[in-house]
Amino acid sequence: GQNIDQPTEMTATEGAIVQINCTYQTSGFNGLFWYQQHAGEAPTFLSYNVLDGLEEKGRFSSFLSRSKGYSYLLLKELQMKDSASYLCAAMDSNYQLIWGAGTKLIIKP
Amino acid sequence: KAGVTQTPRYLIKTRGQQVTLSCSPISGHRSVSWYQQTPGQGLQFLFEYFSETQRNKGNFPGRFSGRQFSNSRSEMNVSTLELGDSALYLCASSPGQGAVDEQFFGPGTRLTVL
Repeated sequence: GQNIDQPTEMTATEGAIVQINCTYQTSGFNGLFWYQQHAGEAPTFLSYNVLDGLEEKGRFSSFLSRSKGYSYLLLKELQMKDSASYLCAAMDSNYQLIWGAGTKLIIKP
Repeated sequence: KAGVTQTPRYLIKTRGQQVTLSCSPISGHRSVSWYQQTPGQGLQFLFEYFSETQRNKGNFPGRFSGRQFSNSRSEMNVSTLELGDSALYLCASSPGQGAVDEQFFGPGTRLTVL
């Protein structure tokens, strides 16, 4: 079957760095997405990786290893507004997104 | 550009009733996808419409159906509601031209079934 695993909840301190991991098993693979969802709001796009390696976008970076079925989202210089759920989604061979349950990130001052 | 809009934002229904949710995509977007979001389950894909045709379908029972109109607006219908249908229903639109597109989500419709 198809499956996405990511931690349910993580806690980090303002100004610090946090890494949110995601492992996936899909029928075929056409890339991995990360979305951010603040409580009560719609998910918003953060990143897309289809090739191995690290993609950096400001304070956020996303990494992909296709051979390991593994990705992570790295958030630097954490701010209180980064408190949100982070959703990992892998695109299968039918270009359908398979979503993880999301990681709730709590930032403490 | 206006974002994705969904109506209504909140709904309370009782078991056995039916419900219709509406989604208006971003202007120019031709693909609309529907998701069910419940705590601990993540987003579950319902179906995707492109140019009025269902292009992809998730593993939901036939009680869940949808359609798309010529202006790309989409509706989702759930018949014979069950308690387990209580969830946030999200609609997402994308240009739909390429196989891999960023999806833009609406604020969702929160459905409560009593």
